[in-house]
Formats: sequence, C-alpha cells, structure tokens
Amino acid sequence: GDSVTQMEGPVTLSEEAFLTINCTYTATGYPSLFWYVQYPGEGLQLLLKATKADDKGSNKGFEATYRKETTSFHLEKGSVQVSDSAVYFCALSDRTGGGNKLTFGTGTQLKVEL
Amino acid sequence: EPEVTQTPSHQVTQMGQEVILRCVPISNHLYFYWYRQILGQKVEFLVSFYNNEISEKSEIFDDQFSVERPDGSNFTLKIRSTKLEDSAMYFCASSDTHSNQPQHFGDGTRLSIL
Repeated sequence: GDSVTQMEGPVTLSEEAFLTINCTYTATGYPSLFWYVQYPGEGLQLLLKATKADDKGSNKGFEATYRKETTSFHLEKGSVQVSDSAVYFCALSDRTGGGNKLTFGTGTQLKVEL
Repeated sequence: EPEVTQTPSHQVTQMGQEVILRCVPISNHLYFYWYRQILGQKVEFLVSFYNNEISEKSEIFDDQFSVERPDGSNFTLKIRSTKLEDSAMYFCASSDTHSNQPQHFGDGTRLSIL
C-alpha cells in the first residue's frame, strides 16, 4: 500500500538557518504530494502541494519539488524564523484506486531558536 | 478565508458511551473526510464521504463508527460504544473536487475516553 516516510524529529535550528525535512513516498500510481503544517494547538494547514513530476510547490518561503525518479518531496526553506516552529507533515493522495484519502508521514517537529 | 469548524474542541466520555463529533465543512465543498491522530502517532485516514454515502473507509472504521450528513451543513462522526483506544484527536476535512485539490482541515476534537 501507499506510505510516506519522513525524517525523525525534533529538528532544532537557529533563526536564519537553512531547513531541509526529508520525505520519501511509496505509491502504486501517480500521487499528488502535499506538505501540511500544524502549529501548537491548531489543526493541519496546507503549506504547499505538487500534483505531477517535476512540479515545485512553494509558499511562505518554503519549497518542495516532486521528484519521481527518487520518489521524494523534500521540504526546504532558506532562512527559518522562530514563527516557523511547528510540526510538518508530508502526505500523498493517490487516486489510482478511485479514492482521495491522504496518507501521512509521522510528522517532523521543527524548533527554531533565537 | 472559509474554514472547517469542529465541535467540541475537547470531549471527555466514559468507556462504553456513545459520542458524536461534529463538523461544519466549507460550504461549497462536496467531499468530506475524517482522520484521527493518536497521541504521538501519525494522522490516519478513517473515512471519506461524497454524495451522501461513504466512498472509502479504512480498516479502523469498523461497525462502531458511522458518519452522517444530517442536513446541508453538518457532517458527523459517531462512535457507538467507545473504547479506551478511541482516545485521539479527530480531524474533519473537506475538499471541493475529487482530484488534486487539497483537503482543508478543522482544528480537531480531542476525544478522551475514561
């Protein structure tokens, strides 16, 4: 079945550091890929998405490129801020079977310190 | 920006009791979902709902669970006889089309079974 693997957290960075959170996936078809963010005490918010190979999703300085050859969708940001502290979830939606459910990774907690 | 709203934010229930979690999806959305997140674990798909019927469900969604759209705005998840292992955060989500569009999540209901 479909699966998403994320790097273990927590990831602790200083403000203005470069961020990479690795995400790889396994899917039977041609999934759409997403990054969701969960701030403390809040629900899941869509951060960015990519629907086909080589697409780059971007939002709020975050980027991720859909790499079919490496089945990856790594999240990057050039300069993190304290306000980026949250849990980040990589997810896929594979419509091959006719459904549209999201399959999530375990989440990676990011802590940004001054 | 339109939001998915969930009530209550926290529900405490005795084991064996029935519980109903409520959600108001975004008004023009047609696809509705429930997910859950047990503390410290990944977000898991429970069920998707379209055109007044279940379109997909996971192994978790057994006979103890049911969903309903009782009117034009609410979408509910019922657990008939709660168990300790049902304690989790339950997220409702909605999307406006089936393919490639992201799901919008509510802030979740924390269900605690005593």
